[in-house]
Amino acid sequence: KQEVTQIPAALSVPEGENLVLNCSFTDSAIYNLQWFRQDPGKGLTSLLLIQSSQREQTSGRLNASLDKSSGRSTLYIAASQPGDSATYLCAVRPGDDKIIFGKGTRLHILP
Amino acid sequence: DTGVSQDPRHKITKRGQNVTFRCDPISEHNRLYWYRQTLGQGPEFLTYFQNEAQLEKSRLLSDRFSAERPKGSFSTLEIQRTEQGDSAMYLCASSLGGVAGYTFGSGTRLTVV
Repeated sequence: KQEVTQIPAALSVPEGENLVLNCSFTDSAIYNLQWFRQDPGKGLTSLLLIQSSQREQTSGRLNASLDKSSGRSTLYIAASQPGDSATYLCAVRPGDDKIIFGKGTRLHILP
Repeated sequence: DTGVSQDPRHKITKRGQNVTFRCDPISEHNRLYWYRQTLGQGPEFLTYFQNEAQLEKSRLLSDRFSAERPKGSFSTLEIQRTEQGDSAMYLCASSLGGVAGYTFGSGTRLTVV
C-alpha cells in the first residue's frame, strides 16, 4: 500500500531564505508526483507535476525534484516571501486511478 | 476553460439532514474525483468516475454517501442522515487520466451542527 510522508509538518522561516520541503513515498512504482499549495480554507492549487521519467520541474522560484528509486521528492522555494505562507501538499499517482496525498507541510514566512 | 467549479462553497446543516454537493469539471476531462479533507490532514480519496462510470469507491464512503455523474459531465455527492463526523472540506478534481495531473476545485466546506 502506497504511503506518502511529508517532513517537516510545519516550518517557519524568515523572509528571503531559501527552503526545502520533503516528501517520501513507500512504493517507487508511480506514474507521477504532483505538488499542490493550499491556503487556509481554500482548495488546492497545482504547483508542479513531475512525470516518473523526469528528474525535476521548475516554475519561477519553485523547483521540484524526483528520485523514484529512493522514493523521495523535494520542493525547493527560492527567496521566500510572506505570500508563500500556505500548506504544501505532495501527492503521488501509483497507477491510472487516484492520487494519494501526504498530510502536508504548513509553511509560515516571517516578514 | 473556467476550471473546476464546486457549489456551494459552504454548507451548514443540522445532524440528520441530507445534503448534496455539485462539481462541474473541466469540460474535456473524462475523469472526476471526490476527496474529503479534515483539519490538519491531507485529502483522502472517496470515489472517482471515468465519464459516467463510477470505477472505484473508498471504504470511507459509507452507505450514507452516494455519488453520481450523469452523462459524464457534472457530478453530485449526496450525504444522507448527516453526522457530526461528516464535517469536512469536500474537494472535487478532474483529470484527463493517464499521466495527466489533477485540477482541483475550491471545495465545499460542510459543517454539521
